[in-house]
Amino acid sequence: EVQLVQSGAEVKKPGESLKISCKGSGYSFTNYWIGWVRQMPGKGLEWMGTIYPGDSDTRYSPSFQGQVTISADKSINTAYLQWSSLKASDTAMYYCARRGETQEWFDPWGQGTLVTVSS
Amino acid sequence: DIQLTQSPSFLSASVGDRVTITCRASQGISNYLAWYQQKPGKAPKLLIYAASILQSGVPSRFSGSGSGTEFTLTISSLQPEDFGTYYCQQLSSHPLTFGGGTKVEIK
Repeated sequence: EVQLVQSGAEVKKPGESLKISCKGSGYSFTNYWIGWVRQMPGKGLEWMGTIYPGDSDTRYSPSFQGQVTISADKSINTAYLQWSSLKASDTAMYYCARRGETQEWFDPWGQGTLVTVSS
Repeated sequence: DIQLTQSPSFLSASVGDRVTITCRASQGISNYLAWYQQKPGKAPKLLIYAASILQSGVPSRFSGSGSGTEFTLTISSLQPEDFGTYYCQQLSSHPLTFGGGTKVEIK
């Protein structure tokens, strides 16, 4: 079974750093792009960026370029999303998802990681 | 960026009803469109990709159609478990974008 398992919920203060993870299993991790999607409380879905774990080629949405860093460690089948200095406006649910083979749909999705940033 | 406009934003329908959700793109995207269902507190689930291909395991009452700028998701006979919010996503160009969502309520 193809599965993505994300790290647990985080509560952080503004200005702190954070790295959340997404571990893939049940498929060849290096052969599929992994995307990250933000969902702010009560809002819709926003694509943040996508990484190819095989060579770490990464594409960012202009809205998130410079705000986050997407990375991957293919030796442990894990992708990451990190912030160097969190803001209250980063409070959201973050999902990772595997990209489709021929087009950029996402399936399956991880269970989500809730990030809360509050002083 | 390609904007996706979904309509309606909310709908309430009875079990057995035929339900149609529309997604309009701000420019032509061929068949590069996917549909997702999201239930409260859960991750989105892929229903349809390439505008009309049903993802494996998804009930056949779901169908997708359209090409270019106008797309529809149809539920042929609404079931109690179909409540949730439905999103379209364009796959044509970066940045990938999603529609604003359609919340479906069962009467």
